[in-house]
Amino acid sequence: AQKITQTQPGMFVQEKEAVTLDCTYDTSDQSYGLFWYKQPSSGEMIFLIYQGSYDEQNATEGRYSLNFQKARKSANLVISASQLGDSAMYFCAMREGDGGSQGNLIFGKGTKLPVKP
Amino acid sequence: NAGVTQTPKFRVLKTGQSMTLLCAQDMNHEYMYWYRQDPGMGLRLIHYSVGEGTTAKGEVPDGYNVSRLKKQNFLLGLESAAPSQTSVYFCASSRGLGTQYFGPGTRLTVL
Repeated sequence: AQKITQTQPGMFVQEKEAVTLDCTYDTSDQSYGLFWYKQPSSGEMIFLIYQGSYDEQNATEGRYSLNFQKARKSANLVISASQLGDSAMYFCAMREGDGGSQGNLIFGKGTKLPVKP
Repeated sequence: NAGVTQTPKFRVLKTGQSMTLLCAQDMNHEYMYWYRQDPGMGLRLIHYSVGEGTTAKGEVPDGYNVSRLKKQNFLLGLESAAPSQTSVYFCASSRGLGTQYFGPGTRLTVL
């Protein structure tokens, strides 16, 4: 079973509108972290936002917010007031565990999001 | 502050050739990682390191070796390249289990 599922391989949003990108995850750990990264056409991976499993409030970073529903194991990214520069692939990722020697991220397959003027 | 840098940015190899990809970070991060990205697959972990002199296997380690002789550098080696190793390779680093910051990637083609 996939640990990170992004059910929307592609979608689009109109400039200035809000959009929600879906992410569900699967883990038996109590402590874990959830991340969203943006990959524009230039190829670099840009960190957007982080949510810890014990964080009670949803994370926000400027126009980005994370709708964290722990019981449903979902961590959807909300982008408000979309801009043309938001056009990119968006990846959801999970880090399992709170110690030990790992810390590696498990990535979903991504959602391609063009922003239309 | 350069963050995470990768050398080279592009490379074309013939089957059976060897090469080394260099990752360098100037953030004094303990953890470093090598991922590969294939179309429609997201990123998958090849190897990682939690400190100087230590390395460990990730999800797809076969055909690759790594070394972490200095804290700021993490090298990924391909001893005998195969067409299946055609991919984009990303290096990342983090302070412990915190956010991972990625390099710009290396696009490798194996003919």
